[in-house]
Amino acid sequence: GAVVSQHPSWVICKSGTSVKIECRSLDFQATTMFWYRQFPKQSLMLMATSNEGSKATYEQGVEKDKFLINHASLTLSTLTVTSAHPEDSSFYICSASPYGYTFGSGTRLTVV
Amino acid sequence: QKEVEQDPGPLSVPEGAIVSLNCTYSNSAFQYFMWYRQYSRKGPELLMYTYSSGNKEDGRFTAQVDKSSKYISLFIRDSQPSDSATYLCAMTITSGTYKYIFGTGTRLKVLA
Repeated sequence: GAVVSQHPSWVICKSGTSVKIECRSLDFQATTMFWYRQFPKQSLMLMATSNEGSKATYEQGVEKDKFLINHASLTLSTLTVTSAHPEDSSFYICSASPYGYTFGSGTRLTVV
Repeated sequence: QKEVEQDPGPLSVPEGAIVSLNCTYSNSAFQYFMWYRQYSRKGPELLMYTYSSGNKEDGRFTAQVDKSSKYISLFIRDSQPSDSATYLCAMTITSGTYKYIFGTGTRLKVLA
């Protein structure tokens, strides 16, 4: 049980375009989902906490207008990287509550 | 000072060795401690979850928590090449928020 599915697993996009990443809880309802970013050889850094039916809570230094989070249902949260730039290239990972310690497989974003 | 300190390694050991991975932390409010294994380009996989000081064993893995010293460890017995991965410690204050603070991860290589 407690499976979190993340899609796509990797994506390449042109600078200035937007990319959407999906995070789904497959066998449980997730009232809260978390979005992390991981740069090479660095740890996971929490970007935002996504609560179903309400606005996401962003960590200090994370631009909420750039990283749009939508948690419209109990099984789906999306992260949209708007107007992506090469410095946004990273590994993005979600995790879901109530099994908050279960992570998705991650999305590798490359902006060219 | 970082809240969680973890030696990034890399750590190379021969197959069958006992591996010791460690993290120290500064926030005495941390109550829940986790160890994750992360293979390259994958999401973290939960290995151990502990709350109280002392040892918790699961197969070849033993998690140790010393709250008085603010020090946690993960021991891997009879290490296998398949154990080669990055191991991340994580901790949180309460079980309800699941807002985890991660260590930077230790890269482990088990040599056949």
